[in-house]
Amino acid sequence: KNEVEQSPQNLTAQEGEFITINCSYSVGISALHWLQQHPGGGIVSLFMLSSGKKKHGRLIATINIQEKHSSLHITASHPRDSAVYICAVGDAGGTSYGKLTFGQGTILTVHP
Amino acid sequence: DGGITQSPKYLFRKEGQNVTLSCEQNLNHDAMYWYRQDPGQGLRLIYYSQIVNDFQKGDIAEGYSVSREKKESFPLTVTSAQKNPTAFYLCASSIWAGQETQYFGPGTRLLVL
Repeated sequence: KNEVEQSPQNLTAQEGEFITINCSYSVGISALHWLQQHPGGGIVSLFMLSSGKKKHGRLIATINIQEKHSSLHITASHPRDSAVYICAVGDAGGTSYGKLTFGQGTILTVHP
Repeated sequence: DGGITQSPKYLFRKEGQNVTLSCEQNLNHDAMYWYRQDPGQGLRLIYYSQIVNDFQKGDIAEGYSVSREKKESFPLTVTSAQKNPTAFYLCASSIWAGQETQYFGPGTRLLVL
């Protein structure tokens, strides 16, 4: 069973700061997902990656398969980035269904 | 606009009562999922369906039931056998049940009276 750990659990930043959220997992995976959960509860998928790096606007996600570690970076943070960021990993098993195991989430608050 | 809808936003259950949470998608996705979220914990999978008329138990299926009679609909029933149903329930879908991006609904918060 994969264990997914995120750090930090809570993160407070000032507007404009560079932010990093980390995710570590215990066994091999097929893909890693970064999700954003807004205060109202809705979840949006930010990235799905299995190697290297992806960028979308001010968001950058990286993954190191050998170290079983991923980071989500936010450049020039803004109060609207305040949300819970969730890491999820897909099992590398042979079944057709790629079961996701979720981290507990990182609560990010960006102050103006 | 394509997307996933869940209703109701808030649901109250009395002791011994079964309640059904609705999930509808118009994305033409084959796979659908139900997750439960409790404070301080990661999402946990209740049930998933890879295709119409088929569904599989997830990690915490006890006390829940589902059906998948139509591609666009995947209702979840919380039965009286679920002793701790208070939680936030999220429905999701993906093109197919592999390593694909999952699209989430807005969620239903279930409270016990």
